[in-house]
Formats: sequence, C-alpha cells, structure tokens
Amino acid sequence: SYVLTQPPSVSVAPGQTARITCGGNNIGSKSVHWYQQKPGQAPVLVVYDDSDRPSGIPERFSGSNSGNTATLTISRVEAGDEADYYCQVWDSSSDHPGVVFGGGTKLTVL
Amino acid sequence: EVQLVESGGGLVQPGGSLRLSCAASGFTFSSYDMHWVRQATGKGLEWVSAIGTAGDTYYPGSVKGRFTISRENAKNSLYLQMNSLRAGDTAVYYCAREQGETGELDYWGQGTLVTVSS
Repeated sequence: SYVLTQPPSVSVAPGQTARITCGGNNIGSKSVHWYQQKPGQAPVLVVYDDSDRPSGIPERFSGSNSGNTATLTISRVEAGDEADYYCQVWDSSSDHPGVVFGGGTKLTVL
Repeated sequence: EVQLVESGGGLVQPGGSLRLSCAASGFTFSSYDMHWVRQATGKGLEWVSAIGTAGDTYYPGSVKGRFTISRENAKNSLYLQMNSLRAGDTAVYYCAREQGETGELDYWGQGTLVTVSS
C-alpha cells in the first residue's frame, strides 16, 4: 500500500516561514491535499490539488509537489497556525484503492 | 451552508455492532462522493470507507469485510455499519464530503465517538 511520510514536528517563530513535507513514491504524479486540525476540532482543508486554496483560506498557505516530495508552505506564520497538518492522496494503484493520509505534523509556533 | 452531523456513536463490547449515521444538508447530497474517516485519541487520521454517487464502495484492508458504508439519497444520509468491532476501532468517526475528482475532502462533520470496550 502507498505510504506518505511526514516529519512528526516542525517549529517556527512568528512571522517566519514554515515548510511541512510529505514524502511518497513518485508523489509528484498524484494530487496532494493538506488539512489543518486544531485540538478538539475537525480537520479543515487548506490546500487541494497540490497548490489550490479553498475559499476563505489565507494566501499565506501554499503548496507544491514534485518528484517524491510535496510541501505545504505557510508564510508569515501566526500563533493561530499552530495545529496538526496532514497530507492526503487518493491511491488507485493498490489492491484496495482509496484515501491515504500522512502521519501528521505538529506545527509549533515558538 | 453545508452541514454534516454524525450520530450513533457510543460504548460497545468487543465483537459487537454499531451503526453510525451522518445527516447532510446545504448541498445536493446525491451529487457527491462521501467518506468516513476516524481518529483514535492522540493519533492521526485514518480513512475508513468511501461511497460514490453510483453506490460504488471502497475500504482499506483493516475494515474490509467488517464495515459497510451505504447512503440513502432520499434522506440525505450516509451510514456506516460496523460489525465485529475491536478495541482498535475505538476512535472519533467523521463523515466528510469529497469535493472533486482527486479525493479532497472539503467539508467534515464534528465527529461521533465510538468506544469498544468490555
């Protein structure tokens, strides 16, 4: 089955840029989606199809995807961005096609 | 306004069954693929099942044969029938709407807690 690998944690100071990676075999050939989840809340879609933003998501959130790594970039990080972030793809290549999530990355704003 | 409201969670013994429901409103339910995703306390997101607009269903190996996803478009409702429950199935279960063609989940409910314990 397809595996997505994320770093467990990323720390960044306010106003700086946070980059959260998501590794997968030839992930550049797939569409990657990113979710933000704050404690006690449901996940929120922040980037879809590698780099598109849903309405209401700040332009500070952007994404890229190439080769074996997709990246969520959060510019001008704010305290309110502190959350868990998950990448996700649809894997059609396995015996059980379906949704695959990365293990999640906890973003800490110092 | 799109709303997804899960219900049916609770405490169940190992080996038991439970049926979750998700009431959808604010959009044309029949036109969207729908998913169930779960999250154990302190753990990451785990996809549980999906159902297409034509009724096609998808499951990961961990629940295939034990869980059944279904939908009733006339009632704008999504269901998850869970049988042969195990302690490892304990989690908050979310229903979610798939936005497009590549599996992105644009709206999520607030979740319902399922606890499998004796």
